Amino acid sequence: DGGITQSPKYLFRKEGQNVTLSCEQNLNHDAMYWYRQDPGQGLRLIYYSQIVNDFQKGDIAEGYSVSREKKESFPLTVTSAQKNPTAFYLCASTRAGYGYTFGSGTRLTVV
Amino acid sequence: KQEVTQIPAALSVPEGENLVLNCSFTDSAIYNLQWFRQDPGKGLTSLLLIQSSQREQTSGRLNASLDKSSGRSTLYIAASQPGDSATYLCAVSNFGNEKLTFGTGTRLTIIP
Repeated sequence: DGGITQSPKYLFRKEGQNVTLSCEQNLNHDAMYWYRQDPGQGLRLIYYSQIVNDFQKGDIAEGYSVSREKKESFPLTVTSAQKNPTAFYLCASTRAGYGYTFGSGTRLTVV
Repeated sequence: KQEVTQIPAALSVPEGENLVLNCSFTDSAIYNLQWFRQDPGKGLTSLLLIQSSQREQTSGRLNASLDKSSGRSTLYIAASQPGDSATYLCAVSNFGNEKLTFGTGTRLTIIP
């Protein structure tokens, strides 16, 4: 079955450490997205990519970085510059005329 | 800038009742509107997608309507069940911009 796989499900980051969240899709979707979800707030867009080797900043890109070397993969790195990284991170994909498909999420906690 | 509002933030109803969840948006030039369900600690599950040219979509006990002129969508759930308890999110995308803008959701509790 096609879908989006996010890993790990839980991730712990120490102060000053960079961590990378994985997102892989086998839906043949062109566009991929990273959202952050905090309690009591709506989902906020971090980065998105509409084609391979190209990506754009979303509303809250500071402290994050991405790459899109393959159509299937869109990893997100949370850098030490992100001062409040504890949140639930969701990856999504879509293609023109279709709805969004989301992964099951990664919960990141600073320890 | 598109803004999406969902009211109420929380809703509790007895099992078996029909109910309506509301979503409003400020920019009517939408490409499509999508309703999602989110269970605690889980990702988003797509329920219904309404393209801009459509007025409603149905799936089982769910029916979603779209009125672009008034900037509103409703999600109708028939014969509610305890398994329907979840947070329901509405999201829209605009022409020329496929990014989704989300509402903050309605937390639904079905009382057995």
